[in-house]
Amino acid sequence: NAGVTQTPKFRVLKTGQSMTLLCAQDMNHEYMYWYRQDPGMGLRLIHYSVGEGTTAKGEVPDGYNVSRLKKQNFLLGLESAAPSQTSVYFCASSYHTRGGGDYNEQFFGPGTRLTVL
Amino acid sequence: AQKITQTQPGMFVQEKEAVTLDCTYDTSDPSYGLFWYKQPSSGEMIFLIYQGSYDQQNATEGRYSLNFQKARKSANLVISASQLGDSAMYFCAMREGPSGSARQLTFGSGTQLTVLP
Repeated sequence: NAGVTQTPKFRVLKTGQSMTLLCAQDMNHEYMYWYRQDPGMGLRLIHYSVGEGTTAKGEVPDGYNVSRLKKQNFLLGLESAAPSQTSVYFCASSYHTRGGGDYNEQFFGPGTRLTVL
Repeated sequence: AQKITQTQPGMFVQEKEAVTLDCTYDTSDPSYGLFWYKQPSSGEMIFLIYQGSYDQQNATEGRYSLNFQKARKSANLVISASQLGDSAMYFCAMREGPSGSARQLTFGSGTQLTVLP
């Protein structure tokens, strides 16, 4: 199993450009998440999805859109990039429940380092 | 108010000694979970240990243990017999709501641990 993979690993954009980050997981997880990590801070949730075709806003959703057309993929889009979106982006996934008190930890991808000039 | 507070931006420990990383949390939800993740310099997020709010005993995973004091709302990570490979950023995180719910993880700002030879 590859786990959670993210494409690309690095990207530099100019202000106003658009791009899409791709997250893929092969663990058949129902839930998927997009976080951003800024220097000196923990991760903050941008958007998440509880299943194919559904998405919801997290703590810092402005300036981002997401789509989950297939269970294994979760896309994060920046329509008009701004320097404030310079960050490291992490995708994560987790089970809905496996029962028996399982804690359903989130499994993280390796991250995408995005710089917006 | 901060939901997760990690008051130690940086910690040093001598190899083979034990170290405690502090984490306090704030929630009014009776059902919650507490996680610790390790982030080495390579950037990936590695799940270490979990404590549920209803768990009667402190969680342990190998050299990691979680000192859970519910009344004080603290969930400190204890690493025994530190190794050079333990040098990394450590994040405490909380999920509010029962296990199996698609709730975001709220992260603290992290503690940078350096293990000295």
